[in-house]
Amino acid sequence: DAVVTQSPLSLPVTLGQPASISCRSSQSLVWTDGSTYLNWFHQRPGQSPRRLIYKVSNRDSGVPDRFSGSGSGTDFTLTISRVEAEDVGIYYCMQGTPWPWTFGQGTKVEIK
Amino acid sequence: QVHLQESGPGVVKPSETLSLTCVVSGASNRNNYWSWIRQPPGKEPEWIGYVYNSGVINYSPSLRGRVTISTDASQTQFSLKLTSVTAADTAVYYCATSRNPRSGLDVWGQGITVAVSS
Repeated sequence: DAVVTQSPLSLPVTLGQPASISCRSSQSLVWTDGSTYLNWFHQRPGQSPRRLIYKVSNRDSGVPDRFSGSGSGTDFTLTISRVEAEDVGIYYCMQGTPWPWTFGQGTKVEIK
Repeated sequence: QVHLQESGPGVVKPSETLSLTCVVSGASNRNNYWSWIRQPPGKEPEWIGYVYNSGVINYSPSLRGRVTISTDASQTQFSLKLTSVTAADTAVYYCATSRNPRSGLDVWGQGITVAVSS
């Protein structure tokens, strides 16, 4: 299985400041079709996960442009340019290349 | 917009079979992949498996042999059966869908909590 490892696991942030989460895979996430299947989700307590970013850097409809994704191969980053109060929760990266598709352990973002 | 709703028992006894159904409403697409995901308390989500076009099915190797996912021909509902459950199967179970699950799942149900307990 491809193991995806996130860091940090806990991220206290100041409102209005930037925040970054790293996701590293144990193997390349480039699929045979040439796409890189690394996706990011956000989950609030008691809610289902919501996809924010797919295929490294594509924002879902309705996702604020303060969220951006970057990276290639095995190293990826989710960046929030200016954290807002509604951004608290747990962020998961998810790889969709080798089956079984797997999620990272999650990064808990909270306001300082 | 597709809407998904899980249903089933909230408690299952050890060694018995967990059975859940996901009802699909709203606009749907026969090219969608229909997936089951679970999330144990305090842990990350785990992909259980998916069914596509009523015929293509894939299960997580860790659950293969205990799990069955199926859909009806009209794709208005799909189901999950997990046999010989133990406490390790206690989790929130989600049904979810997308046209390309490798890019993640863009529509999720609200989830159903299932506890394995005697």
